[in-house]
Order: sequence, then structure tokens, then C-alpha cells
Amino acid sequence: DAGVIQSPRHEVTEMGQEVTLRCKPISGHDYLFWYRQTMMRGLELLIYFNNNVPIDDSGMPEDRFSAKMPNASFSNLKIQPSEPRDSAVYFCASSRQISSSPLHFGNGTRLTVT
Amino acid sequence: DAKTTQPPSMDCAEGRAANLPCNHSTISGNEYVYWYRQIHSQGPQYIIHGLKNNETNEMASLIITEDRKSSTLILPHATLRDTAVYYCIVRVEGTSGTYKYIFGTGTRLKVLA
Repeated sequence: DAGVIQSPRHEVTEMGQEVTLRCKPISGHDYLFWYRQTMMRGLELLIYFNNNVPIDDSGMPEDRFSAKMPNASFSNLKIQPSEPRDSAVYFCASSRQISSSPLHFGNGTRLTVT
Repeated sequence: DAKTTQPPSMDCAEGRAANLPCNHSTISGNEYVYWYRQIHSQGPQYIIHGLKNNETNEMASLIITEDRKSSTLILPHATLRDTAVYYCIVRVEGTSGTYKYIFGTGTRLKVLA
């Protein structure tokens, strides 16, 4: 079990550029979550998917943010255009649908927008 | 959404038990309590979870009060490597029978040599 894999680990970009963050969930997991962590706001749930379908995107801060899950083994989070206030660590997590299965997190992508 | 309240920070002597409290007074009957910890900026690591009964695994014990309004995570013999931020969260029901996990601010535990 390779765990949840996120890429890149670090991303530095200039304001106005498009940023794409990638996530590969654990095989067999039905849920996928995107979180953002900052010092000021802690861990915020941005969006989550169940069986590749977006269920709740109420945490997505603005229309500049979008997320897709084209298949069970891949999701991406895009920011276009990026702004300095988007600088944060973005985590992806997955879990199984059955019973009380816990969340498993990736190691995150640290995004810096200059 | 059910919310949790935790003290912002705690200290514990190395080798002693660390008892981390959590209040979740608005929890519903079918909502589980989960504990995670985060070391530096790594992804949060799952520790333990429970519904009504006390639970124990190789990492920790979870004590849930009978009314389920609070719980305590116990690290029986804390080591320096247990220094981390500990999150108590409640898995809440989302839309269409799905579930989501809402994190609070956590407790920063410092284990002292």
C-alpha cells in the first residue's frame, strides 16, 4: 500500500499563473477529500468526492478554484489565476465508504505564490 | 456540523501518560469520534476512533464518556516523538448519505525530557 500520493511536494509560482495539484488516492478508496492548511485558518475542507462525483464544494474559496476526479485513481485541484493569499499546504486524503473507515492523508503540496 | 473543543496546548513529561481532552457536546448518535496527529507540516496521521465504547490500539487509548459529549485520548507512555498537534474530530453526515471530516484547531502537545 503506497498510501495517498500527492505531487508536486513543493510549488512556487508567480501571481496570475495557473497551478495544478495532483492526487492519487489509495486503491479501493471511495472517498477523496481536498484540504487546505494555513496558520490563520487551520485545516479547511475544500471539496470532497464520493465514487468520483463531487459531493460538497462549499469550502472552495472562489471560482478561481476547481477540482475534478476523472477516475477512481486520480484527482486534481486547479487554481487559475493564482494569488499570494492562496499560499498554503494543500492536502489530499482518501477513505473507504464502508463503516467507520478513517481518512488517510498524503504528505501535502506546499504552494507559494509570489 | 458537530464541533469539537480542545485546549490549545499541553505539556507532558517523557514517560508519563498524556491525557488529551476533547469536548463534542453537539455530537449525534451515529457520529464517530476520530483522533489524528500532525507532526510539523506532514499529513495528519490517524491514531484511533470510536463511537460509544472505549477503544485501545498499539498507539493509544480512547475513553468516551457515557453521554458521548466528551472524550480523552491517552498516550500511555509519552516519548519526545509524540510531540505534535493532536486533532479530535467528528465525522459528520454530509449530503446524499455521505460523510465528511471537519477539523478543529487541535491541541499542541509538547513532551518534555
